[in-house]
Amino acid sequence: DAGITQSPRHKVTETGTPVTLRCHQTENHRYMYWYRQDPGHGLRLIHYSYGVKDTDKGEVSDGYSVSRSKTEDFLLTLESATSSQTSVYFCAITSDREGGYTFGSGTRLTVV
Amino acid sequence: GESVGLHLPTLSVQEGDNSIINCAYSNSASDYFIWYKQESGKGPQFIIDIRSNMDKRQGQRVTVLLNKTVKHLSLQIAATQPGDSAVYFCAEKGGGADGLTFGKGTHLIIQP
Repeated sequence: DAGITQSPRHKVTETGTPVTLRCHQTENHRYMYWYRQDPGHGLRLIHYSYGVKDTDKGEVSDGYSVSRSKTEDFLLTLESATSSQTSVYFCAITSDREGGYTFGSGTRLTVV
Repeated sequence: GESVGLHLPTLSVQEGDNSIINCAYSNSASDYFIWYKQESGKGPQFIIDIRSNMDKRQGQRVTVLLNKTVKHLSLQIAATQPGDSAVYFCAEKGGGADGLTFGKGTHLIIQP
């Protein structure tokens, strides 16, 4: 999607290894979110950020950490990947906390 | 806990017919609702939104209806086209929650 890029698009990793997913935006939006999408669960909020170095936990934050050192980048880290973290991860951005989000194209992560 | 859900996981309609996708929500404090469309391999795409002070909102070929009395949200797509095939999610926000809460999605299938 225009203005928001996720990398990598696909990744396969082994259980116990650290993994970092990147979300990069060129819209200068203040608010950024990480969601995971799983069959039967829809999209669930992992972590979110309201600005540089301002992050907080979402509904399913266990096993994940985030960092936002620059407005344009929001990193999601799995410190020690587990098979239950196999999922599609989406980043979203918005300039209006009370408005809708623009989503990235997603990262498909497989933990084997 | 309170959540947003959808009545039907799959909806099949004839090309050219109108489609109606339903969503039930249980958080009475929610004051903002969005419909997203997700095509295979892509991130959710914003379709239309509505705030709780409205009952109806129209876009291009789409209409969202909100019934706060029964906590029901619907998306109507007029003259359904093959390109409308996708999974449709409703999402809600409000009551002090951080981030959007998503339903599990309805897969819309267009029959030729």
